[in-house]
Amino acid sequence: QKEVEQDPGPLSVPEGAIVSLNCTYSNSAFQYFMWYRQYSRKGPELLMYTYSSGNKEDGRFTAQVDKSSKYISLFIRDSQPSDSATYLCAMNIQGAQKLVFGQGTRLTINP
Amino acid sequence: DGGITQSPKYLFRKEGQNVTLSCEQNLNHDAMYWYRQDPGQGLRLIYYSQIVNDFQKGDIAEGYSVSREKKESFPLTVTSAQKNPTAFYLCASSPWETGSYEQYFGPGTRLTVT
Repeated sequence: QKEVEQDPGPLSVPEGAIVSLNCTYSNSAFQYFMWYRQYSRKGPELLMYTYSSGNKEDGRFTAQVDKSSKYISLFIRDSQPSDSATYLCAMNIQGAQKLVFGQGTRLTINP
Repeated sequence: DGGITQSPKYLFRKEGQNVTLSCEQNLNHDAMYWYRQDPGQGLRLIYYSQIVNDFQKGDIAEGYSVSREKKESFPLTVTSAQKNPTAFYLCASSPWETGSYEQYFGPGTRLTVT
């Protein structure tokens, strides 16, 4: 079993829809939870990170962490075609140098 | 502009040849990382370095080597011992004070070995 599981998709939704992207994990020691966005043939860019449990909002993006269920989510409101990309979750233990990545979900927003 | 540069963007090599991928950053970050990404897979850590002249193996270090002679540079050599070298290689860096979670990535180098 992988430490971090992420549905690879692909996920296709109409413009303006609310998108929900999710990851589950098995290591209860994870404390930092990140979401990266990766456009085709580009390097990933850090969208948001959350420490421990709770919600964090940044514009149209909301990151949610539920440590009791070992489940994290990224919500995108009012989705735009420019949001079409692969979204990678990542997490690590405080003080550790290694990030553990999910395999990424490929998202397409249709105009 | 601050950032991470990787060169070249595309690289083609014959089997049995060593090849070195360049990674430079001007963000003044202490830590640097090399990842490999294969289709449909997440990123896998090859090597990382927290300080000049020091580096540690990641999960898939076999067949790779690195050096960290300068803070801003972290080149990766893919040796002929790497059994399946064709992949997308990503370099990243992070500031020491925030830990490894705040990693910034370069644009990547796509290596094809035939």
